[in-house]
Amino acid sequence: QLQLQESGPGLVKPSETLSLTCTVSGGSISSSSYYWGWIRQPPGKGLEWIGSIYYSGSTYYNPSLKSRVTISVDTSKNQFSLKLSSVTAADTAVYYCAREGIAVAGNNWFDPWGQGTLVTVSS
Amino acid sequence: SYELTQPPSVSVSPGQTARITCSGDALPKKYAYWYQQKSGQAPVLVIYEDSKRPSGIPERFSGSSSGTMATLTISGAQVEDEADYYCYSTDSSGRVFGGGTKLTVL
Repeated sequence: QLQLQESGPGLVKPSETLSLTCTVSGGSISSSSYYWGWIRQPPGKGLEWIGSIYYSGSTYYNPSLKSRVTISVDTSKNQFSLKLSSVTAADTAVYYCAREGIAVAGNNWFDPWGQGTLVTVSS
Repeated sequence: SYELTQPPSVSVSPGQTARITCSGDALPKKYAYWYQQKSGQAPVLVIYEDSKRPSGIPERFSGSSSGTMATLTISGAQVEDEADYYCYSTDSSGRVFGGGTKLTVL
């Protein structure tokens, strides 16, 4: 059974870079059938897609975050990572990683998800 | 930017049918997906490709889509179905979630 686990600092200072890693177990990140994505959820609010990556390194980013986001993949470790630069309090959220199924006509979807990790931006 | 619109809340009594709607301009061309998120937990996929149910999801969960509106139906809602529900779809600029609907069953 595929499992995903987020890891990284729970506290980041304003203007610094948030860095998280998602470790995939029970399956290969190098599968041609999937992307791997990051989604976040501010406390008490809804879900926001951040970006996704293919095992080859191809990436898709949310246009609203694109200037600050970098997603990378390490197939040797079965991991993918998120970096979000110049963070502010508005970036405080639970960050989830998830497998993204590739379907026809771009009808991709996320399943399963990691348990999520809370990242707080504060000095 | 593309948006999916959901009602903020829906309330039903146990055993009643709950319907949660999601509207979006691209839905005639793109599938809708539905996620259930219970308090403190990660989202779980309950409907994919408009109307398909993943294994392990109770039969009382069903989905449909017509024109610019997708609907999640919970027939005979149970107390354990109380959760936030998010619709999801894609468009040319990326992946989009609806704002979420809080389902209360009491």
